[in-house]
Amino acid sequence: NAGVTQTPKFRILKIGQSMTLQCTQDMNHNYMYWYRQDPGMGLKLIYYSVGAGITDKGEVPNGYNVSRSTTEDFPLRLELAAPSQTSVYFCASSFRGREQYFGPGTRLTVT
Amino acid sequence: KQEVTQIPAALSVPEGENLVLNCSFTDSAIYNLQWFRQDPGKGLTSLLLIQSSQREQTSGRLNASLDKSSGRSTLYIAASQPGDSATYLCAAANFGNEKLTFGTGTRLTIIP
Repeated sequence: NAGVTQTPKFRILKIGQSMTLQCTQDMNHNYMYWYRQDPGMGLKLIYYSVGAGITDKGEVPNGYNVSRSTTEDFPLRLELAAPSQTSVYFCASSFRGREQYFGPGTRLTVT
Repeated sequence: KQEVTQIPAALSVPEGENLVLNCSFTDSAIYNLQWFRQDPGKGLTSLLLIQSSQREQTSGRLNASLDKSSGRSTLYIAASQPGDSATYLCAAANFGNEKLTFGTGTRLTIIP
């Protein structure tokens, strides 16, 4: 059981570039989440999904898009990267009402 | 809107002491509350989850309590060890969608 895996671990983007952060879980969890963590701050929810084909916005969705075509995968798309999107991004998954399990994170710098 | 606060932001205690970390939340209509540990440069590890109907949960040297009426949760760590040094985050889940609202964490340092 690999749990929640994220790729890449690190990435540097230029302003205006786009990229996709990958997230995969092998625990058959129905709920999946994307968070960002800025220095000295708590985690903020970007998007979440309660099952394949269902996604919804979190607290800070602007500048991001998601899709959930399978139970296992929940990619996060950044369009037109901006310096404000420099952050550490965490993907998480859970069964309904149970603990959330987190991936190791992707550290993104936009310059 | 749910707000979660953790005070203090940092705490240092000598090895072997028992300690309490605090978490407060503004909306008592929570589904559950989770405590996480985060080591520098790493992801979050779930420590304990307390359902809204429960008062406490225990795992080894850790005990978490929940008082919805006062909007508070505490994480008790017994006989602290240097390996307990990390940032501890609490997060409250809303009813209906279970979205977590996180506090900003308490950075704990255990002094050998």
